Amino acid sequence: DGGITQSPKYLFRKEGQNVTLSCEQNLNHDAMYWYRQDPGQGLRLIYYSQIVNDFQKGDIAEGYSVSREKKESFPLTVTSAQKNPTAFYLCASSPGRTYHGYTFGSGTRLTVV
Amino acid sequence: GQNIDQPTEMTATEGAIVQINCTYQTSGFNGLFWYQQHAGEAPTFLSYNVLDGLEEKGRFSSFLSRSKGYSYLLLKELQMKDSASYLCAVRSPLGNTPLVFGKGTRLSVIA
Repeated sequence: DGGITQSPKYLFRKEGQNVTLSCEQNLNHDAMYWYRQDPGQGLRLIYYSQIVNDFQKGDIAEGYSVSREKKESFPLTVTSAQKNPTAFYLCASSPGRTYHGYTFGSGTRLTVV
Repeated sequence: GQNIDQPTEMTATEGAIVQINCTYQTSGFNGLFWYQQHAGEAPTFLSYNVLDGLEEKGRFSSFLSRSKGYSYLLLKELQMKDSASYLCAVRSPLGNTPLVFGKGTRLSVIA
C-alpha cells in the first residue's frame, strides 16, 4: 500500500545535538512538507519542497534544515540553533492537484533534554 | 496576510449535534479543508469545500461561504470517538503552495 512513513515515532536527544527526522513516501507525490505542532497550537510550516532539488522556507525555518535529493525522501534536521525543539513533527505530501489536501505521516515526537 | 480563527475548545454530549466554526482572511483562496486529529496522531482528511454551500458525508457536513470568509463543520449523532481536534485549513490558488492551518478546535464528547 502507498503511504508516507516517518521515523522514529519517538526521539530523545540531548540539548546541543543535531538530529535528523526521516520522511519517506511511495505515493509519487511531487510536493512534501514539514510542520511542527506544539500543544494548543495549529500546524506551523517549517519547510516545503515542490520538486526534487528545490525547497522553500516556511514560517518557522530558523534552526532547521532540509534536503530533497530524491522524490521519495524529505529529511528534516533539527540543529542546535533551534531554541525550543521539543515538539511533534509532521511530514506530509501532496500530488500536483491538492484537491484532497495532504497525506500525513504518523509524526515524530522529539524531546530534547 | 493569513489569518484563520477557530474556537479553542468545545464540549458536547454523546448523540447531540455540534457545529465548529472557522473564519478566514487569506491572500487568495482556492478551497478549505477540514481535518480530524486524535491526540498524538496524524490529521486525517474529513472534507473539502471550494464552492459555496453544504457538502454532506455521512455524519459529517461542511459548509462554505466565500463572501463571508466562513466555514463550519457539523457533526451529527456524536460518538465518544469523535473526541479529537478539528483543524481548518485554507488552500492558496497557487499550485502546490502549502495549506495554512488554523490552531484547531479540541472537541470533547461527554456521556
